[in-house]
Amino acid sequence: DAGVTQSPTHLIKTRGQQVTLRCSPISGHKSVSWYQQVLGQGPQFIFQYYEKEERGRGNFPDRFSARQFPNYSSELNVNALLLGDSALYLCASSINPFMVTGELFFGEGSRLTVL
Amino acid sequence: SQQGEEDPQALSIQEGENATMNCSYKTSINNLQWYRQNSGRGLVHLILIRSNEREKHSGRLRVTLDTSKKSSSLLITASRAADTASYFCATAVNYGGSQGNLIFGKGTKLSVKP
Repeated sequence: DAGVTQSPTHLIKTRGQQVTLRCSPISGHKSVSWYQQVLGQGPQFIFQYYEKEERGRGNFPDRFSARQFPNYSSELNVNALLLGDSALYLCASSINPFMVTGELFFGEGSRLTVL
Repeated sequence: SQQGEEDPQALSIQEGENATMNCSYKTSINNLQWYRQNSGRGLVHLILIRSNEREKHSGRLRVTLDTSKKSSSLLITASRAADTASYFCATAVNYGGSQGNLIFGKGTKLSVKP
């Protein structure tokens, strides 16, 4: 079975532009989470979606938004890009939304560079 | 904000030696998980230990949890060059209504020399 897939793998944008990152979860997984990982740091939680509804949001500005589609795939959008948005964006899926019971399965990430 | 803090930040050992990484956290947890990340790639789940467990084994991995000290340790025995990676602890915390995210530490960068 395919794992979590993310696209694009690498992209370069300039300040002020907008970016859309895509994620397909493992088949049967209904929960998708997004994390931002700045170089040298651990992943920071951005959003979680389950059954197309937002179930959690981290401490990120409103420039960050996401959605989940009926097939459980997800998009993360970032508007008005800043240099500090340069990071590895990780998508993770899980069977249920409760981390108290389960683990996350991560994709390989989308490396965003903002110039 | 980061809940967990790994120690040491970096660890360099020879193949065949054991590697021990520690994690401290701040608030009560439901479980603690360890993940591995090869350079610049996605994270891979290694092991989960619940708050009512004290020790857990998986292959060459041994994890301990001391909830009174709010700390955990990951031991990799008989390390191999292929174990070279960053290792993160992550905690699942019961916030009001939000049980769906993990809080990661900054990681320990392990280098195993052949």
